[in-house]
Amino acid sequence: QSVLTQPPSVSAAPGQKATISCSGSSSNIGNNYVSWYQQVPGAAPKLLIYDNTQRPSGIPDRFSGSKSGTSATLGITGLQTGDEATYYCGTWDSSLSAVVFGGGTKLTVL
Amino acid sequence: EVQVLESGGGLVQPGGSLRLSCAASGFTFTMYGMSWVRQAPGKGLEWVSSISSSGGKTDYADSVKGRFTISRDNSKNTLHLQMNSLRAEDTAVYYCAKTVMSTTPEGPVRWFDPWGQGTLVTVSS
Repeated sequence: QSVLTQPPSVSAAPGQKATISCSGSSSNIGNNYVSWYQQVPGAAPKLLIYDNTQRPSGIPDRFSGSKSGTSATLGITGLQTGDEATYYCGTWDSSLSAVVFGGGTKLTVL
Repeated sequence: EVQVLESGGGLVQPGGSLRLSCAASGFTFTMYGMSWVRQAPGKGLEWVSSISSSGGKTDYADSVKGRFTISRDNSKNTLHLQMNSLRAEDTAVYYCAKTVMSTTPEGPVRWFDPWGQGTLVTVSS
């Protein structure tokens, strides 16, 4: 059971938009910065979003992050088959004094 | 190019020990924290441990506290994870990651980029 809650799966058609939610509490998302990672099968995770909304260089602006209260959301527009992957949210939990991740959301582009 | 490369994984018996290493290149190693994150087969990501840029501050997941020790050699741009008293549930791919660690008025910052390709640790008799 992960501290952060993500839907196990999300699907959307090519060219459409997908949103992935990440729900937590005041000890983690509510008072700390959120990051998002993409993991393609067989590969290492890759940073997509840091500090709630910031994209590292090289990440297309099709990927966006937002946060409201104790929840965060990853948005992906103009979906491509190459976006099929598992997406994880992560943050610091001040009560646990630990980094916590969501359980991951598998995105299917169909 | 910023890179981190893990080594040292393998098969070990329950109760045994293993030392993982991570070689960093392409960035000023002494300016960044470093972390280990693991992923059990077919499961999600689990943070294991982080160390500050100087090595003076470390933190651990409860699941490994007292058994694992993170360290770094800033003269060799290398990160280590000493794993003792290994259990079957420690079986996972272990990733090394360059880590941004700071404390801001808005809260702690901790994110990982880039990640290495991972090294597999299997604990089994």
